[in-house]
Amino acid sequence: AQKITQTQPGMFVQEKEAVTLDCTYDTSDPSYGLFWYKQPSSGEMIFLIYQGSYDQQNATEGRYSLNFQKARKSANLVISASQLGDSAMYFCAMRESYSGAGSYQLTFGKGTKLSVIP
Amino acid sequence: DADVTQTPRNRITKTGKRIMLECSQTKGHDRMYWYRQDPGLGLRLIYYSFDVKDINKGEISDGYSVSRQAQAKFSLSLESAIPNQTALYFCATSDRGQGFWETQYFGPGTRLLVL
Repeated sequence: AQKITQTQPGMFVQEKEAVTLDCTYDTSDPSYGLFWYKQPSSGEMIFLIYQGSYDQQNATEGRYSLNFQKARKSANLVISASQLGDSAMYFCAMRESYSGAGSYQLTFGKGTKLSVIP
Repeated sequence: DADVTQTPRNRITKTGKRIMLECSQTKGHDRMYWYRQDPGLGLRLIYYSFDVKDINKGEISDGYSVSRQAQAKFSLSLESAIPNQTALYFCATSDRGQGFWETQYFGPGTRLLVL
């Protein structure tokens, strides 16, 4: 079974509108971290935002926020006021078991391609 | 200047050739990683190193080797390149000292084409 599922291969959003990119995860570990990365067409992977499993509040970083619903095992990325420069691939990733052998491992989803329309 | 640099950025090689991809970082991080990205498959871990003397295989290490020459340098070698190693390769770093908030930061990537 996939540990990270991104069900939207592609999304379109009008400039200045908000958009939600979906991510669900599967783990039995009580201690884990969730990450979102952006990959523009130039190819680099840019870290956007992090949510820890014990964090009580949803993470926010500027126009990015993470809608963390632990019981549903979802960690959706919300981008407010979309800009043309937000057009990119977006990847959700998970790190399980902060302590122990698995603490290094980042498991990535297959990504969502976001296109911002002027 | 970029915190994590990769050289070369693009490389074309022929089947059977040995090639090396290099990664350097100025972030002062102790942990370094090599990933490959294939279309539709996301990123997969090849090797990782927690310090100069600690190197470990990742999910897809066959056909690859690595060398951690210093805390700041981590090289990936393809001993005898084959076409299905054509991919985008990323180096990443992280700081164990961040604790639970440890985040991996990626270099710009190397596009490799094996003919």
